[in-house]
Amino acid sequence: DAGVTQSPTHLIKTRGQQVTLRCSPKSGHDTVSWYQQALGQGPQFIFQYYEEEERQRGNFPDRFSGHQFPNYSSELNVNALLLGDSALYLCASSIAGGRAYEQYFGPGTRLTVT
Amino acid sequence: GNSVTQMEGPVTLSEEAFLTINCTYTATGYPSLFWYVQYPGEGLQLLLKATKADDKGSNKGFEATYRKETTSFHLEKGSVQVSDSAVYFCALEDTGFQKLVFGTGTRLLVSP
Repeated sequence: DAGVTQSPTHLIKTRGQQVTLRCSPKSGHDTVSWYQQALGQGPQFIFQYYEEEERQRGNFPDRFSGHQFPNYSSELNVNALLLGDSALYLCASSIAGGRAYEQYFGPGTRLTVT
Repeated sequence: GNSVTQMEGPVTLSEEAFLTINCTYTATGYPSLFWYVQYPGEGLQLLLKATKADDKGSNKGFEATYRKETTSFHLEKGSVQVSDSAVYFCALEDTGFQKLVFGTGTRLLVSP
């Protein structure tokens, strides 16, 4: 079992550009959550997807959007990148109806905005 | 809203020293509390949990007790190893669907 995988591992973008990050959940999981971890900070909840719909959203602007595919994989899109969007983006997968601590986290994608 | 505050790091210890990392929380009700560990290049891993007041979570020699009187969940280990060097996050289970609220993290550095 590969666990939660994320791609790419690292990427560098310029202010104003758009970026797409990808996540494949652990086998058997149907729910994907995304977190942003700025340098020296704890992860902050962005949103969660289940049954291809956004089920819950944290305090992030509309520049952050997502998508879930029928195979449960997910994408995080960020438009009009700002320097402050530089962070480690974590994906977590779980089974719907489970507890928060039953989520499995991926290794993250480190985004640098210059 | 619910929040978690944990001590700033880095915490620097020699091998076999005693470890305490302080964590306090602000929440409505009594949420489940957790400690996560993050090793370089790896995803967050659940270290231990406590789902109700007075519960003690333990794993790999680490312990933490859910204290509702002091709204605390301090992490302790009697004898740290070099392999324990990592960033430790205190977290709570927020209302809603499987949402976690994390503290800012504490880096632990253990030297031989």
